[in-house]
Amino acid sequence: DAGITQSPRHKVTETGTPVTLRCHQTENHRYMYWYRQDPGHGLRLIHYSYGVKDTDKGEVSDGYSVSRSKTEDFLLTLESATSSQTSVYFCATRREGADTQYFGPGTRLTVL
Amino acid sequence: AQSVTQPDIHITVSEGASLELRCNYSYGATPYLFWYVQSPGQGLQLLLKYFSGDTLVQGIKGFEAEFKRSQSSFNLRKPSVHWSDAAEYFCAVGGGRGGSYIPTFGRGTSLIVHP
Repeated sequence: DAGITQSPRHKVTETGTPVTLRCHQTENHRYMYWYRQDPGHGLRLIHYSYGVKDTDKGEVSDGYSVSRSKTEDFLLTLESATSSQTSVYFCATRREGADTQYFGPGTRLTVL
Repeated sequence: AQSVTQPDIHITVSEGASLELRCNYSYGATPYLFWYVQSPGQGLQLLLKYFSGDTLVQGIKGFEAEFKRSQSSFNLRKPSVHWSDAAEYFCAVGGGRGGSYIPTFGRGTSLIVHP
């Protein structure tokens, strides 16, 4: 495992409030990813990072922003949460030159 | 564009029976293929992967998968299922080890194991 932690593990919030999810890794992996998992959709990529301060959008990036100021931390922000963003969010990392992703335990977010 | 289809949303088997989970992919070149397992409330764990060589690959927990280029398939198998195998299984296809590598995941197959 890549020593990936996610915080918080569970969160309930209200529509319109900002939310930040944190992914922390201890393996110095270059690449980091944020996915959301919804029934019937599998995992869909929100944003990813290929280095400090280098990020790009995935297929479902609307309503989300990310930041990576340190190698070990990748933050996902919902500027104004909506009920459609209720989901389980997974962070993943990948070492440069490798083909395998390692996943964190997930964050269950409920937007009321 | 790359894509993955897992035709079965749910599969129910009896403990001790054999298992095959289907995965079909679409990719323009030689694909990197993966199977992950997700136990309830957990993250995804890699079971096995393929990108070259022997088309029958062995993974952890007694799983294996066979790559069939002619059928664009990468089906997961296990000869005898244990109750602890009940989980969600995801197939993924990706482009390799470069910086632009972004895998695409299937929608998952939920495995139910009856005693």
